[in-house]
Amino acid sequence: QQPVQSPQAVILREGEDAVINCSSSKALYSVHWYRQKHGEAPVFLMILLKGGEQKGHEKISASFNEKKQQSSLYLTASQLSYSGTYFCGTPGVSGSARQLTFGSGTQLTVLP
Amino acid sequence: EAGVTQFPSHSVIEKGQTVTLRCDPISGHDNLYWYRRVMGKEIKFLLHFVKESKQDESGMPNNRFLAERTGGTYSTLKVQPAELEDSGVYFCASSQLSLRGIDTQYFGPGTRLTVL
Repeated sequence: QQPVQSPQAVILREGEDAVINCSSSKALYSVHWYRQKHGEAPVFLMILLKGGEQKGHEKISASFNEKKQQSSLYLTASQLSYSGTYFCGTPGVSGSARQLTFGSGTQLTVLP
Repeated sequence: EAGVTQFPSHSVIEKGQTVTLRCDPISGHDNLYWYRRVMGKEIKFLLHFVKESKQDESGMPNNRFLAERTGGTYSTLKVQPAELEDSGVYFCASSQLSLRGIDTQYFGPGTRLTVL
């Protein structure tokens, strides 16, 4: 099943914070986060593994709660370069990161 | 290190024609995936190669789509004959084979296919 992302879109000013959520109805072993700018390749941000650990990439961090079957992406002090569509992806059976099933995306716009 | 490359970047064809998309994965990556994004919707899995073998093609829409990966290097995805609903952006991704089963997939820029 496709993970559910929220919100669908968010607009914020440079320097503000944002949270993007990704939840699944099935058991999660890992969550993969990507950012895609228009017309470009989706860029890998991070993988969250079961265990509730947090990871970070610049001022972007994420958490993973396998009990709640959800992951959240935290964008702190957002920069103009953070604009784009954020996707979470969940792997197939047995935690294998074979094919990913992606959420419908969250469009983030950072204004000056 | 070169990333995943795809060719062409754009293709506009008429319904009924044939189109072949190419993907060159990152050197040394055994896993190669094809995905498609249609009309701003989510990115959907099409198929997965491990080296030259098809590991999973459960996402292929129908038999008009044929993917190959000769020699375990680059891959092609042929659509024949193309239909209007095939329009979208076709992404290729590659990753290294991991015994742990957790791989990071690196995406190419995609081929935007428009079927008129």
